[in-house]
Amino acid sequence: QQQVKQSPQSLIVQKGGISIINCAYENTAFDYFPWYQQFPGKGPALLIAIRPDVSEKKEGRFTISFNKSAKQFSLHIMDSQPGDSATYFCAAIRGSTLGRLYFGRGTQLTVWP
Amino acid sequence: EAGVAQSPRYKIIEKRQSVAFWCNPISGHATLYWYQQILGQGPKLLIQFQNNGVVDDSQLPKDRFSAERLKGVDSTLKIQPAKLEDSAVYLCASRNLAGVDTQYFGPGTRLTVL
Repeated sequence: QQQVKQSPQSLIVQKGGISIINCAYENTAFDYFPWYQQFPGKGPALLIAIRPDVSEKKEGRFTISFNKSAKQFSLHIMDSQPGDSATYFCAAIRGSTLGRLYFGRGTQLTVWP
Repeated sequence: EAGVAQSPRYKIIEKRQSVAFWCNPISGHATLYWYQQILGQGPKLLIQFQNNGVVDDSQLPKDRFSAERLKGVDSTLKIQPAKLEDSAVYLCASRNLAGVDTQYFGPGTRLTVL
């Protein structure tokens, strides 16, 4: 069963626009929520991450919003650029499992000029 | 710092043949993971090592998949015999246990089973 549900499956955004990707989880034992970015032919790379005791984390143009009561979190990419075109995965970790990642199905983002 | 190395990058085999993938993690990383990424899906954990011991292999199809990490450094993942549904990218990742949750992924091996 999919432990982390991600939407949308694909997203097309105009350059300069805001890209928003949403994720939801059920297991309240998850205690770390990273986002990974994957370019074609490459492995996923950590983009930004948040712990559930924080409602928002911002790094440059990337922001994670976290709603613990709703068990939802989202990635916002401000001022989206063509170089942001990639597949984005949300994930979750249970601290007791030494870092095992549970991934969402991914969102293919296309930013057109 | 050198990244996670994997080889080969691509492999095409016939069904029922065997195949092996190799991974060299980042130096000093005690934890090593093998993930299977089927086209259009997120990576799924197959097996997790802590040094040379298996921590979690609950998702590994043990009738055909095997993995080892001798000496707690390099690791190999083997499939024997391969099935059509094994076509996927096999990703290796490693992690330093010094309080950091970041996993570093290699470029993966794309396997096509015909």
